[in-house]
Amino acid sequence: DAKTTQPTSMDCAEGRAANLPCNHSTISGNEYVYWYRQIHSQGPQYIIHGLKNNETNEMASLIITEDRKSSTLILPHATLRDTAVYYCIVRVEGGMDTGRRALTFGSGTRLQVQP
Amino acid sequence: EADIYQTPRYLVIGTGKKITLECSQTMGHDKMYWYQQDPGMELHLIHYSYGVNSTEKGDLSSESTVSRIRTEHFPLTLESARPSHTSQYLCASSFMGETQYFGPGTRLLVL
Repeated sequence: DAKTTQPTSMDCAEGRAANLPCNHSTISGNEYVYWYRQIHSQGPQYIIHGLKNNETNEMASLIITEDRKSSTLILPHATLRDTAVYYCIVRVEGGMDTGRRALTFGSGTRLQVQP
Repeated sequence: EADIYQTPRYLVIGTGKKITLECSQTMGHDKMYWYQQDPGMELHLIHYSYGVNSTEKGDLSSESTVSRIRTEHFPLTLESARPSHTSQYLCASSFMGETQYFGPGTRLLVL
């Protein structure tokens, strides 16, 4: 699986957009970019994923560069409840063997939303 | 909102006791997972299952065992708890793709 690099921590003002970057320069053509987050002491929560095109759902938007070597997760209007560790993961989707391997979360980006 | 449940949420137990951590999901997912996470540290996979009667050990060695007799149920058992087993245990499930849905976790403290 491609390795990802994220900043250790970021701050964001409440109500502003939070833009969380992720570098995945060794990503393969069939690997998706997944984002999860983990709020303190809780289980990780799936946010969004994409392959090439930008994606949007009720939680966030995912912008993937044309060369797919990096991506940005956007929380359009951050709230205090968005304070969490955000993980960018690159994985092949589906297939017989995908369940055999773990989701490697790495250390993620600790986002602190300030009031 | 994912329908995956873990009980108990918190457990304090003495050394040598046998414990079972419960995990159930109502989504009909075929794949289920157990992760272990120490405070402030990364998640590590300790067990996974492709389906009924299918279990495999994960990347991190663990003295725990699991069973998958029913699709919706994936309990984890420690035959003799030790202080080194103190950790948070997270259960997850998925169907086909890589989107895994996690339970709230069980925090285990072994005295």
